[in-house]
Amino acid sequence: GAGVSQSPSNKVTEKGKDVELRCDPISGHTALYWYRQSLGQGLEFLIYFQGNSAPDKSGLPSDRFSAERTGGSVSTLTIQRTQQEDSAVYLCASSLNPQGLSDEQYFGPGTRLTVT
Amino acid sequence: AQKITQTQPGMFVQEKEAVTLDCTYDTSDPSYGLFWYKQPSSGEMIFLIYQGSYDQQNATEGRYSLNFQKARKSANLVISASQLGDSAMYFCAKCLVFGNEKLTFGTGTRLTIIP
Repeated sequence: GAGVSQSPSNKVTEKGKDVELRCDPISGHTALYWYRQSLGQGLEFLIYFQGNSAPDKSGLPSDRFSAERTGGSVSTLTIQRTQQEDSAVYLCASSLNPQGLSDEQYFGPGTRLTVT
Repeated sequence: AQKITQTQPGMFVQEKEAVTLDCTYDTSDPSYGLFWYKQPSSGEMIFLIYQGSYDQQNATEGRYSLNFQKARKSANLVISASQLGDSAMYFCAKCLVFGNEKLTFGTGTRLTIIP
């Protein structure tokens, strides 16, 4: 079956512009996670969705970052007024997440964001 | 805060030899899970193996095994009979078992297999 997909695969934007990154999880996966991978900070958690709600937004680095998920499926990560330090690979992952049992997270290929 | 420590930034190993990648972690959680992921130069994160803190036996998946020592809070990955295709970054990660299972990652080990 289809894996996690993300779009765009690459995004170059000018400082100060807004960007939207999209994630399509595996069908039926209720849990969705956004992570960021950068040279300076390694792999960092950003936000977690269970269905359409986001019980954990603790990893979002500033109020310029927001995310939503609709229909328990597609998620969009929005970065407003981008800064150069936002340059990173943004990874999305999904899992079945049955309660009480750790479940493998399947990762998408990532979106490489470059802010010039 | 959760901390995952991978003390080997880079390793070079001869093909067909076994290799151990180290991982230690901080936790006060009673139940947690430990993962290893492989990230080749292409960038995708590939799940390798999972160990639950409550599991009595060490996890194994083909050539991968996890040397889990709960009291020492270590979860080393062992790759037997290494192959050229094993060259990649390897990340150790931890999550809680119940509820939010966000992963906390270590800084990774870059493994290079020498022919």
